[in-house]
Amino acid sequence: QSALTQPASVSGSPGQSITISCTGTNSDIGRYNYVSWYQQHPGKAPKLIVYDVINRPSGVSNRFSGSKSGGTASLTISGLQAEDEADYYCSSYSSGSTLVVFGGGTKLTVL
Amino acid sequence: EVQLVESGGGLVQPGRSLRLSCAASGFTFDDYAMHWVRQGPGKGLEWVSYVSWNSGSTGYADSVKGRFTISRDNAKNSLYLQMTSLRAEDTALYYCAKDRSSASYDYFDYWGQGILVTVSS
Repeated sequence: QSALTQPASVSGSPGQSITISCTGTNSDIGRYNYVSWYQQHPGKAPKLIVYDVINRPSGVSNRFSGSKSGGTASLTISGLQAEDEADYYCSSYSSGSTLVVFGGGTKLTVL
Repeated sequence: EVQLVESGGGLVQPGRSLRLSCAASGFTFDDYAMHWVRQGPGKGLEWVSYVSWNSGSTGYADSVKGRFTISRDNAKNSLYLQMTSLRAEDTALYYCAKDRSSASYDYFDYWGQGILVTVSS
């Protein structure tokens, strides 16, 4: 069982917006702003798309945005495109028993 | 260009040992913390271990504590993971990942392509 809780799957049509939630505790998301999101296409290494809750690395589309409220972080993808179909993972620094915690991953299907 | 290239994986029997390596290039290796992250077949990402920039601090997931040892050689721009007492549940693709910070965890800004470790008799 993963330390952070994500929905197993979400779907949306091209052009629509979707939001993936990531729920943690007061030992991780609720206390720190070290939340990051990763996109993983099949057979590929994960790719950083959001860091420190709201920031995007250079080269990542502004269609990806992050936010946080209390112990839950969210990733919103607007203007869905076929290429967005992938697995998405949230991660956070933790002051618990492990330094780094991940969510179980969310499979995004673009209908 | 940042490159992280893992090596040393393969098929190993339960209870045996294996050492993974990660060769880094394209950045000042000894400025950053480094991590190992694994992904079991059809499963999600699982953090395994980290080492700070100067090896002064290390950390492990509970699932590998006491069996795995992380180390780094800044002169060789290399990261290592010594795995002992391997179990079937250690079967996974192991990724080397660069941290944005030097001492702890902020986020992984670069990942290797991964190396497969299969534990089976």
